[in-house]
Amino acid sequence: RKEVEQDPGPFNVPEGATVAFNCTYSNSASQSFFWYRQDCRKEPKLLMSVYSSGNEDGRFTAQLNRASQYISLLIRDSKLSDSATYLCGCITGFQKLVFGTGTRLLVSP
Amino acid sequence: GAVVSQHPSRVICKSGTSVKIECRSLDFQATTMFWYRQFPKKSLMLMATSNEGSKATYEQGVEKDKFLINHASLTLSTLTVTSAHPEDSSFYICSARDTNNYGYTFGSGTRLTVV
Repeated sequence: RKEVEQDPGPFNVPEGATVAFNCTYSNSASQSFFWYRQDCRKEPKLLMSVYSSGNEDGRFTAQLNRASQYISLLIRDSKLSDSATYLCGCITGFQKLVFGTGTRLLVSP
Repeated sequence: GAVVSQHPSRVICKSGTSVKIECRSLDFQATTMFWYRQFPKKSLMLMATSNEGSKATYEQGVEKDKFLINHASLTLSTLTVTSAHPEDSSFYICSARDTNNYGYTFGSGTRLTVV
């Protein structure tokens, strides 16, 4: 079983829509969680860390459910510039940052 | 903010040759760096963990003799793809973990094409 799993998508949404991605992790000892954004042929950029209490940054909200071992990312009022691949990352034992397959988002006019 | 410099950004080499990729943390110390590989439209796969002053730790299925990692200082790790073959063509990305604040910063990646 993969350590981190995501629906690869693509998710096709119109501008202004709200879209949510989920990610599950297999190692209950995973310590920290992140959402990264990756544009085509570029390196990942940190979007936000995910805290147990949930956290929000502008249009983006991240949630962590340790009991069910999943992480979510909610994007409100989608912009064309939000089109990208969103990677869920977990820090496992030995401080390794591992990623899911990424979820591709396409926002259309 | 933290910056990681990765070079070269793009390299084309002949089959059978070796290619060295450098990953350098510019404004912080990194006792640990990570090397990833990403095939087109696929996930970032962790290849190995590079530890300053000691041997790298490789993920299952990654050949340590083919992908040589050296982490000789707190700011530099290198990945050498030895005897490269076309199937090694991929996007290689490094990440450095800041010793002080434990943040992970990525290099800009190296696109390797073996012909």
